[in-house]
Amino acid sequence: DGGITQSPKYLFRKEGQNVTLSCEQNLNHDAMYWYRQDPGQGLRLIYYSQIVNDFQKGDIAEGYSVSREKKESFPLTVTSAQKNPTAFYLCASSLDRRSYEQYFGPGTRLTVT
Amino acid sequence: GDSVTQMEGPVTLSEEAFLTINCTYTATGYPSLFWYVQYPGEGLQLLLKATKADDKGSNKGFEATYRKETTSFHLEKGSVQVSDSAVYFCAQTKRGGSYIPTFGRGTSLIVHP
Repeated sequence: DGGITQSPKYLFRKEGQNVTLSCEQNLNHDAMYWYRQDPGQGLRLIYYSQIVNDFQKGDIAEGYSVSREKKESFPLTVTSAQKNPTAFYLCASSLDRRSYEQYFGPGTRLTVT
Repeated sequence: GDSVTQMEGPVTLSEEAFLTINCTYTATGYPSLFWYVQYPGEGLQLLLKATKADDKGSNKGFEATYRKETTSFHLEKGSVQVSDSAVYFCAQTKRGGSYIPTFGRGTSLIVHP
């Protein structure tokens, strides 16, 4: 079955540590996205990539970094510079940059203490 | 900037009741409009969409009509089930011609037997 996988589902880290969230898709989609979801705030776009080896900042990129070395993979690093990293992180993909429909992974809940 | 406003939740209904979740948008021009659904602990799934004025999107008994005159895209279902309990997100294509959606804050629906 085609889809998006995110691992792990739950992640715990100590404050001051960087942590990398995995996102893999086997849909052969060109575009991939990272969102942050906080209670009552909907989804906010962190970074997106419309093609391999290229990515752009979203609305809340500060304290995050990404890479897109392979079409199927778009890992997100939450750095120690992110002031409030505890959140639910969702990865999504779309066929290409002109496609409206996004397909989402199951999410990773990150808790930093 | 462009935004999407949804009614606040939670919306609590008894099984077989009629559902309406209000959504209004502010994008200029003719954005595409979407409803996504998020079941507990999962990512979002596209529920329905409409790409031009007066279009009606429908899926799984849910419907929404693109109303340009009122800039609305209200979600309706005639008879809800317990399994419809989830968070519903309204979304529009983003500002500046980008195809990345802007999401509302989400509305939680709780259906009791």
